[in-house]
Amino acid sequence: RKEVEQDPGPFNVPEGATVAFNCTYSNSASQSFFWYRQDCRKEPKLLMSVYSSGNEDGRFTAQLNRASQYISLLIRDSKLSDSATYLCVVRAVEYGNKLVFGAGTILRVKS
Amino acid sequence: NAGVTQTPKFRVLKTGQSMTLLCAQDMNHEYMYWYRQDPGMGLRLIHYSVGEGTTAKGEVPDGYNVSRLKKQNFLLGLESAAPSQTSVYFCASSIGQAAYEQYFGPGTRLTVT
Repeated sequence: RKEVEQDPGPFNVPEGATVAFNCTYSNSASQSFFWYRQDCRKEPKLLMSVYSSGNEDGRFTAQLNRASQYISLLIRDSKLSDSATYLCVVRAVEYGNKLVFGAGTILRVKS
Repeated sequence: NAGVTQTPKFRVLKTGQSMTLLCAQDMNHEYMYWYRQDPGMGLRLIHYSVGEGTTAKGEVPDGYNVSRLKKQNFLLGLESAAPSQTSVYFCASSIGQAAYEQYFGPGTRLTVT
């Protein structure tokens, strides 16, 4: 089983739609959680950290469910510029405090 | 600030050839990392460094060597390239441990024929 699993998609949505991605992780000792965004043929960039209480940044909301070991990302009012691959990332002491990346979920927003 | 830069951007090697990928950062970060990214797989850590003069193995270190002689530079070497090393290589740096944001370079696309 992969340490971090994501639905690869692609998710094809119209502009203005709300879309949600889920990610599951296998190590219950995971301590930190992040969403990174990667544009086509570009480097990953941090989108947001994920906190236990959930957190929001504009149109983006991230939530963590430790009991079920999953993380979610909700994007409201999708824009064409949101088209990218979204990477779920976790850190656990068992991984030597290093980050473990999911393979990513592809989002395509169409007009 | 340029952030994290990588050279070269593209390279084609024949099996058995060697090469060095250079990563440079101007943010005075202590931690630097080399990843490879393959289709359908997440970024996988090859080697990392927690400071000048130190290196450590990551998840997939075989076939690669690294050096961190200067704080701002992290070199990744392939001594004898194999087709399985065809990939996109990303360098990253961070202020501290992996909990901190990692800043990535633009990547190097390597093809081994």
